[in-house]
Amino acid sequence: NAGVTQTPKFRVLKTGQSMTLLCAQDMNHEYMYWYRQDPGMGLRLIHYSVGEGTTAKGEVPDGYNVSRLKKQNFLLGLESAAPSQTSVYFCASSPSPFYEQYFGPGTRLTVT
Amino acid sequence: AQKITQTQPGMFVQEKEAVTLDCTYDTSDPSYGLFWYKQPSSGEMIFLIYQGSYDQQNATEGRYSLNFQKARKSANLVISASQLGDSAMYFCAMRDRYSGAGSYQLTFGKGTKLSVIP
Repeated sequence: NAGVTQTPKFRVLKTGQSMTLLCAQDMNHEYMYWYRQDPGMGLRLIHYSVGEGTTAKGEVPDGYNVSRLKKQNFLLGLESAAPSQTSVYFCASSPSPFYEQYFGPGTRLTVT
Repeated sequence: AQKITQTQPGMFVQEKEAVTLDCTYDTSDPSYGLFWYKQPSSGEMIFLIYQGSYDQQNATEGRYSLNFQKARKSANLVISASQLGDSAMYFCAMRDRYSGAGSYQLTFGKGTKLSVIP
C-alpha cells in the first residue's frame, strides 16, 4: 500500500503560469482533501471532495480549481499562479470526516 | 474568533520526562471530534490520537494520551517518557458541523514546536 502520494514533490513557477498537482490514494477512501500550509500557520483547507465527481470549497479556495474524475485521484489546479500561492500543499484522504485523515508527503511550490 | 488555540509556540522537554501540549477549542456543535497530528522536520503529517465529544474516557495511544476537559473546552496532548524522535511540530484539529472550512471539515491550530533535549 502506497497510501497517499503526491506529484510533484517540488515545483517553481513564474507568476502567471499554470500547473496541476496530482494526488492519488489506494485506500478506496471516499473523501479527499487539499490543504495549504504557510509558515506559522496550521493547515488550511482549500477544496475537498466527498466522492467521485464531487468537489466543494474549503476555507481558502480562491485561485484554485479541483477535479475528482476518478475515486483514487484528486487534482489541484492553479490557472494563473501568484506569489501568494507559495506554500506547501498537502493532500489527504479519509473514509469519512469521522475518521482520521491520511496525508501525502506534501508538495513545496514556489511562485516567483 | 479562533476555533482552535494552541498557546505554546515552542516547548522544551528533557528526554524521558512527560510533557503536556495545550489545545483549547470553541464550538457550539455538541457532536465534535478532536485530533492531534505530529509533523516531524521531514514534513509529513502523522495522526496520533482522536477524542470524540461523547467519549466517556480520555483517549490513549501508547505514550500519547489526551487530557479532555469538556467543560473547559480543552484537549491537551500528554506525551509520556519523551524521546528524541518526539521533536516535531504538533497540531491540534477539530471536526465540527460549523467549521469555516465546510461542514464537518477539520480546523487546525497553529501548532506547537516541541524540542526534546538529551
